[in-house]
Amino acid sequence: QSVVTQPPSVSGAPGQRVTISCTGSRSNIGAPFDVHWYQQLPGTAPKLLIYSNDRRPSGVPDRFSGSRSGTSASLAIAGLQGEDEADYYCQSYDSSLNAVVFGGGTKLTVL
Amino acid sequence: QITLKESGPPLVKPTQTLTLTCSLSGFSLSASGVNVGWIRQPPGKALEFLALIYWDDDKRYSSALKNRLSITKDTSKNQVFLTMTDMDPVDTGTFYCAYNGPSGGSGWHYWGQGILVTVSS
Repeated sequence: QSVVTQPPSVSGAPGQRVTISCTGSRSNIGAPFDVHWYQQLPGTAPKLLIYSNDRRPSGVPDRFSGSRSGTSASLAIAGLQGEDEADYYCQSYDSSLNAVVFGGGTKLTVL
Repeated sequence: QITLKESGPPLVKPTQTLTLTCSLSGFSLSASGVNVGWIRQPPGKALEFLALIYWDDDKRYSSALKNRLSITKDTSKNQVFLTMTDMDPVDTGTFYCAYNGPSGGSGWHYWGQGILVTVSS
């Protein structure tokens, strides 16, 4: 069991907006340590989508946005497209474990 | 161009020690702020942090696996190594190395393609 939790799955129709939550505690997200988000398409390596809570690497569409508040963080995807169907992971750092932590991942299905 | 490539044995036997190499190009391991991590992913399962090494040789390990892991680097060859002892079939998975990027912040901006390691007799 990860110390940061994500919903196992979310879904939405093309064009809709979905959010994926990442819930932690005062020793990680709430410390506060930065939260990063990765997208993993089937059979490929993870790709950094959002870093330092709300920053997008160059090349990532502005349909993707991140936020952090208290002991939780969220990834929002607007204007859903079929190519967004993937697994999404949040990542932070935990001071109690003195280690990087990943969420359990969320599978996004585009209906 | 920044690239990372994992290498090592695709098959190891139970109880053996696994050693993986991450070969890096396009940046220096000795640059301030650099960190390289190892992450694994069992088939069909989530990403799992294993170990992390910083440019100044500071290290972090998964609390669950720290007794079995060792991360080291060879700055002259621009390589990072991961050793995992006492391998078990449940350790089967894809192992990735990742780099935080030239800005030296947190978050892994660059990833290798991964190497699938199967533990079986």
